[in-house]
Amino acid sequence: EAQVTQNPRYLITVTGKKLTVTCSQNMNHEYMSWYRQDPGLGLRQIYYSMNVEVTDKGDVPEGYKVSRKEKRNFPLILESPSPNQTSLYFCASSSINRGRSDTQYFGPGTRLTVL
Amino acid sequence: QKEVEQNSGPLSVPEGAIASLNCTYSDRGSQSFFWYRQYSGKSPELIMSIYSNGDKEDGRFTAQLNKASQYVSLLIRDSQPSDSATYLCAVRQGNLIFGKGTKLSVKP
Repeated sequence: EAQVTQNPRYLITVTGKKLTVTCSQNMNHEYMSWYRQDPGLGLRQIYYSMNVEVTDKGDVPEGYKVSRKEKRNFPLILESPSPNQTSLYFCASSSINRGRSDTQYFGPGTRLTVL
Repeated sequence: QKEVEQNSGPLSVPEGAIASLNCTYSDRGSQSFFWYRQYSGKSPELIMSIYSNGDKEDGRFTAQLNKASQYVSLLIRDSQPSDSATYLCAVRQGNLIFGKGTKLSVKP
């Protein structure tokens, strides 16, 4: 089954404790992206990647890191989480085929609380 | 900066009516256009994709694209209470840019 998986789905942590949210896709997609979603602010892009070893900042990259060492994985790293990073996070992937197959698929979301 | 603009709503329509959702975008080089539906706390799910000027119909949904005017719209015919959700417009030129979404409420 084609899917994007994220782990963990729920996480409560404390300020300053490094954490990683994993994201994996099984569709051989070139493009992967991380978003955060907060009430009233819509989906805001954190980082995106057009292919292996190619990453770029989105709208709200401060306080986050990513890596793309393999095509299927795109982990989101919070080196020193703060309470303002409490949010619902989505990972997504798609082909970048300029034809008809660049639909973006979303993971189920990770709800993060930083105390 | 590439932007995608949507009216945040809420848009309220009676059951059975046509709901019309609009979106404008700033990048004339955009190639692909999408409408997603999102229920509260859930992942966005794809409703429609459209790549060429004109209309594309899928069941009760019709997407309309006008590249010259840089807008894309979504019509929902025979609106149902289950259509109540936030609708996100997304536009791709390499990266995929989302609008903030329009909240639709369909009243029984």
